[in-house]
Amino acid sequence: KNEVEQSPQNLTAQEGEFITINCSYSVGISALHWLQQHPGGGIVSLFMLSSGKKKHGRLIATINIQEKHSSLHITASHPRDSAVYICAVSSYSGAGSYQLTFGKGTKLSVIP
Amino acid sequence: DADVTQTPRNRITKTGKRIMLECSQTKGHDRMYWYRQDPGLGLRLIYYSFDVKDINKGEISDGYSVSRQAQAKFSLSLESAIPNQTALYFCATSDQGVDTQYFGPGTRLTVL
Repeated sequence: KNEVEQSPQNLTAQEGEFITINCSYSVGISALHWLQQHPGGGIVSLFMLSSGKKKHGRLIATINIQEKHSSLHITASHPRDSAVYICAVSSYSGAGSYQLTFGKGTKLSVIP
Repeated sequence: DADVTQTPRNRITKTGKRIMLECSQTKGHDRMYWYRQDPGLGLRLIYYSFDVKDINKGEISDGYSVSRQAQAKFSLSLESAIPNQTALYFCATSDQGVDTQYFGPGTRLTVL
């Protein structure tokens, strides 16, 4: 079973700061996902990565397959970025399906 | 309209009661999943279904059962609810051969 570790567990930042959230996993994967969970509970997918780097607006996600490590960066953070960020890794489980293993999440609070 | 819906959104019940949580999707996906989320823990898989005739236990299936009534509907039942089943429950869907999952809004269940 893949072990997924996120750090930090909690993060408080001032508006405008550059933020980094880290994720490490223990065994090989087919892809890594970054998810955002809003205070109301809903979960949305931000990125799916199997190599390299992806950027969407102020969010950047990178992955190093050799080191089994991924980072999520937020540039020019804003209070609306306050949420729980979840790292999940997917592994092929056969019959065209994938299993997701989730980290415990990083709670980000951005203060004005 | 949301692609993945869950009913009810909130439920308070008593120990020993039978509870059903329902999930519907309009994405046309074959795969459907039920997860629970507890504070300080990652999302954990309860049951998953590859199609109407296929049901599989996940990591924490004890105390739960499911029914896949149609491709679009996947229900989770607690036959005799107990307080440690108090949690946030999420339904998710995915398409065959694709590892991105789409989450419903969640059901907050409290068992007194």
